[in-house]
Amino acid sequence: GAVVSQHPSRVICKSGTSVKIECRSLDFQATTMFWYRQFPKKSLMLMATSNEGSKATYEQGVEKDKFLINHASLTLSTLTVTSAHPEDSSFYICSARDRGDSSYNEQFFGPGTRLTVL
Amino acid sequence: DAKTTQPPSMDCAEGRAANLPCNHSTISGNEYVYWYRQIHSQGPQYIIHGLKNNETNEMASLIITEDRKSSTLILPHATLRDTAVYYCIALTLSVSNYQLIWGAGTKLIIKP
Repeated sequence: GAVVSQHPSRVICKSGTSVKIECRSLDFQATTMFWYRQFPKKSLMLMATSNEGSKATYEQGVEKDKFLINHASLTLSTLTVTSAHPEDSSFYICSARDRGDSSYNEQFFGPGTRLTVL
Repeated sequence: DAKTTQPPSMDCAEGRAANLPCNHSTISGNEYVYWYRQIHSQGPQYIIHGLKNNETNEMASLIITEDRKSSTLILPHATLRDTAVYYCIALTLSVSNYQLIWGAGTKLIIKP
């Protein structure tokens, strides 16, 4: 159980276009989802915390108008990179907390999405 | 949340026990020690966590010192598939504030 999927796994786009990444909890309901970004050989950096039915909370230095997050249901959160540029190329990872598991508050991670902006 | 420090890299022979240390000298009484690992180009995977007592599951054992200022993750019989970056995180579990602060981790290389 506790599987999180991401789609697509890889995407290549032209500079200036927008890219949407989906994060789904497959067998549990997630009240909170997290979006991370990871550059090569670097650790994960939290971008934003997404709560179902409310606006996402962005970390300092993350542009909310550039990285649009929608958490419309308990099993789906989307991250849209608007007007992508080469410096947005990165590995984007989502994670989710199981609504029903209050004992551990464990985060379950998706497999990641590799974004390359040409 | 307390900062953790880990060695940047370690090697271990296949079949031997891999012991990964973590220092968290400023950990507070309500902070748990969590371990995750990340295999190249994949999302992180939860391994184990603990508060004060030593813990064991099907993946690993976690040994926490009595003063809780350090801990060791033990992979009892390392395989090549255990090659990954291992992250030690000190975390307060709270409904309102649950963020994993990721350090640099330890790159563990299992050698045949």
